[in-house]
Amino acid sequence: EVQLVESGGGLVQPGRSLKLSCAASGFTFSDYAMAWVRQAPKKGLEWVATIIYDGSSTYYRDSVKGRFTISRDNAKSTLYLQMDSLRSEDTATYYCARLGYWYFDFWGPGTMVTVSS
Amino acid sequence: DVVLTQTPVSLSVTLGDQASISCRSSQSLEYSDGYTYLEWYLQKPGQSPQLLIYGVSNRFSGVPDRFIGSGSGTDFTLKISRVEPEDLGVYYCFQATHDPWTFGGGTKLELK
Repeated sequence: EVQLVESGGGLVQPGRSLKLSCAASGFTFSDYAMAWVRQAPKKGLEWVATIIYDGSSTYYRDSVKGRFTISRDNAKSTLYLQMDSLRSEDTATYYCARLGYWYFDFWGPGTMVTVSS
Repeated sequence: DVVLTQTPVSLSVTLGDQASISCRSSQSLEYSDGYTYLEWYLQKPGQSPQLLIYGVSNRFSGVPDRFIGSGSGTDFTLKISRVEPEDLGVYYCFQATHDPWTFGGGTKLELK
């Protein structure tokens, strides 16, 4: 059974950093591209970043480019999102999702990030 | 960025009714390879989103055949025949044809 479990969320002050993790199990992690998708409170979904199966290519939405870094450790079957220079508008639930080709076929339960002083 | 406009924003139905959700794109979603990267997701209350339809009309594994996706170019529709209680929640269309990938604003399906 495919399982994705995010961790690392919490309350952080504006301008500070946070690193999210997503532990994957139930499939061969190194075979799949992975992504982060976020959802601000009571709002819709927003794609954040994607990393291909071997980590050699990454893609970001403009609003997080230069501040967020997606990475992976295939030996540990873990996906990461390093978030620097956090802003109030980054407050959201962050979901880790597996990419079955181009679509998100499995999602984790999410981890909440609150950026506030 | 490609804007996906979903209508209606909210849809009240009686169990057993048919429901129809529209997703209109600001640009054609047909990629240069001829494929259309348009998906539908459902987010049930308190849960993560789940994939329903990929490539406009292909049902994901385990999705009942009462979910039917259709459309082309800029206009897409998700139809749910015979709505059941487990179908309630917020439906999102999504496109991966153009960078950045974008979601529609969502359509909330609720009971009348």
